[in-house]
Amino acid sequence: GAVVSQHPSRVICKSGTSVKIECRSLDFQATTMFWYRQFPKQSLMLMATSNEGSKATYEQGVEKDKFLINHASLTLSTLTVTSAHPEDSSFYICSARDIFRREWNTEAFFGQGTRLTVV
Amino acid sequence: AQTVTQSQPEMSVQEAETVTLSCTYDTSENNYYLFWYKQPPSRQMILVIRQEAYKQQNATENRFSVNFQKAAKSFSLKISDSQLGDTAMYFCASVSDYKLSFGAGTTVTVRA
Repeated sequence: GAVVSQHPSRVICKSGTSVKIECRSLDFQATTMFWYRQFPKQSLMLMATSNEGSKATYEQGVEKDKFLINHASLTLSTLTVTSAHPEDSSFYICSARDIFRREWNTEAFFGQGTRLTVV
Repeated sequence: AQTVTQSQPEMSVQEAETVTLSCTYDTSENNYYLFWYKQPPSRQMILVIRQEAYKQQNATENRFSVNFQKAAKSFSLKISDSQLGDTAMYFCASVSDYKLSFGAGTTVTVRA
């Protein structure tokens, strides 16, 4: 399988500041990347889908101005949580896929996740 | 739109025994894929097994196998010879428009 690296794995930030999370595909071109949020003992909730070179598509109820997503290259997508508040504390996971690679067009590869704590 | 339902929040199994996790789904697509993902305490998502809807044969990966009942829209996972390392949260998922839809998850605890 392919490798997706997510950084940082843990971050603590002060309320009101912004924090950036990176998601990199290490050995394939990630034409499409997905960002999820997960609360303890709960399922993954899709926040947004981004395609390289175009604007992200956000799921209903996700604030696009708070969760800025940039997918500027085929190997890197970033999620920036702006003006973070304690309620933004959560586990964020990215996944990536190459939709043009037939054998992988149904499989997503996941990063290790980032635990964000806003104090 | 696709919905995935897992009705078992928690399951416990003795080491070396077998456990079956249930999953039902709803889809309007003719061809689709179904997955089981494992999320251990490290929280890394790991693909356990994949099933293509047009294939009637149930997928198998070592100790993991599925019972795919297309008409009933059921997709259960059987873990045979359970090992301590199988302790994790298991998610059933389907894909539509390249997006994965996950069930609520089942926490599996393997007892020594």
